[in-house]
Amino acid sequence: QVQLVQSGSELKKPGASVKVSCKASGYTFTSYAMNWVRQAPGQGLEWMGWINTNTGNPTYAQGFTGRFVFSLDTSVSTAYLQISSLKAEDTAVYYCARGPLVVVAATFDPWGQGTLVTVSS
Amino acid sequence: QSVLTQPPSASGTPGQRVTISCSGSSSNIGSNYVYWYQQLPGTAPKLLIYRNNQRPSGVPDRFSGSKSGTSASLAISGLRSEDEADYYCAAWDDSLSGGVFGGGTKLTVL
Repeated sequence: QVQLVQSGSELKKPGASVKVSCKASGYTFTSYAMNWVRQAPGQGLEWMGWINTNTGNPTYAQGFTGRFVFSLDTSVSTAYLQISSLKAEDTAVYYCARGPLVVVAATFDPWGQGTLVTVSS
Repeated sequence: QSVLTQPPSASGTPGQRVTISCSGSSSNIGSNYVYWYQQLPGTAPKLLIYRNNQRPSGVPDRFSGSKSGTSASLAISGLRSEDEADYYCAAWDDSLSGGVFGGGTKLTVL
């Protein structure tokens, strides 16, 4: 079955970096885009952007430029989210979610189980 | 503040019909499909409705979606206790060139 499995929870100090992985299975990885969505504690969903799994070209939403980097390793069907210079306000659950590659649409299906990133000194 | 506007809460008793609204603009709902996601407590969101009113396989027909102009609605009939969750609408926004979500509606089954 189609599945996205993310890496485990992370506890980081302010200023550090973190890399979250999202391993896909059950479908051709390069036939779909990968989106990233943030959910701060007790808050709603926020679309961070997406990466074209064919070209590796990332697109970042407003507010997610500079410290956020999407990348791929297509040989192992895995997408990555790296956040640098972590701040307390980056504390959130980060989700990867499969999306369409050709047509832009808010179709996110399925989702990974989420990775909690906690930034605290 | 979310681009799409949803009521923060909704409630109903078992068996009732509940609707959740989602308001947007011409650059998102007005020109693109609307999607609905269900997030059960402590879990990842799940696609509930796609392309305004289509249900993925496995989603009960108690859930239905509609869209008119720059607004959309999710209706849940025959409310059940297991429907207690957060519901989010989403759409592509042509002006932002990205996906946008509503702030979410917490549904309580009384």
